[in-house]
Amino acid sequence: ELKVEQNPLFLSMQEGKNYTIYCNYSTTSDRLYWYRQDPGKSLESLFVLLSNGAVKQEGRLMASLDTKARLSTLHITAAVHDLSATYFCAVESAGSYQLTFGKGTKLSVIP
Amino acid sequence: EAGVVQSPRYKIIEKKQPVAFWCNPISGHNTLYWYRQNLGQGPELLIRYENEEAVDDSQLPKDRFSAERLKGVDSTLKIQPAELGDSAVYLCASSAATTGSGELFFGEGSRLTVL
Repeated sequence: ELKVEQNPLFLSMQEGKNYTIYCNYSTTSDRLYWYRQDPGKSLESLFVLLSNGAVKQEGRLMASLDTKARLSTLHITAAVHDLSATYFCAVESAGSYQLTFGKGTKLSVIP
Repeated sequence: EAGVVQSPRYKIIEKKQPVAFWCNPISGHNTLYWYRQNLGQGPELLIRYENEEAVDDSQLPKDRFSAERLKGVDSTLKIQPAELGDSAVYLCASSAATTGSGELFFGEGSRLTVL
């Protein structure tokens, strides 16, 4: 059974600071997705990572995937308040179409 | 282009009552998913459809949950009878991927409260 662990689960950071969210998973996979969820809203796709070494960047967010370490990171650069949300990673089991989500990282960016 | 549409957005019922949720996926997306999201948790898959066929329903509690996707477009998810533990947000998602799950596009969800 595929297990996906995110850490930290809660993150309070000051505007302008950098930080990284980690997503570890337990079995072989080379497809990983990052989603953002605002309170009371649905999930919005951020990044699709489809191979080892994949790196994607959008604004102040950068995601990477290391399939050998079974690890993905979501790096936040110079955080701003608008980035406050819950971030989920989701891993696709190899040979299956099932996505398993982590518990999410609730990010609060404070002035 | 319209996104995934779900209704109702909110539903409050008493336990043992039935409830149904409706989903209209993005046009052209053959794959449709129903997820359940409990408070403070990530979504968990209930069922996946390829066109009108349920290809993965292993996590659907079949004693009280049922789903259908007639004509391979809209889908309904039903709970009968509802229990207190069914309180959650029920998310519908669709994908255009033909291999793998691909990027999922989610609706805004149906928040169920069972009293």
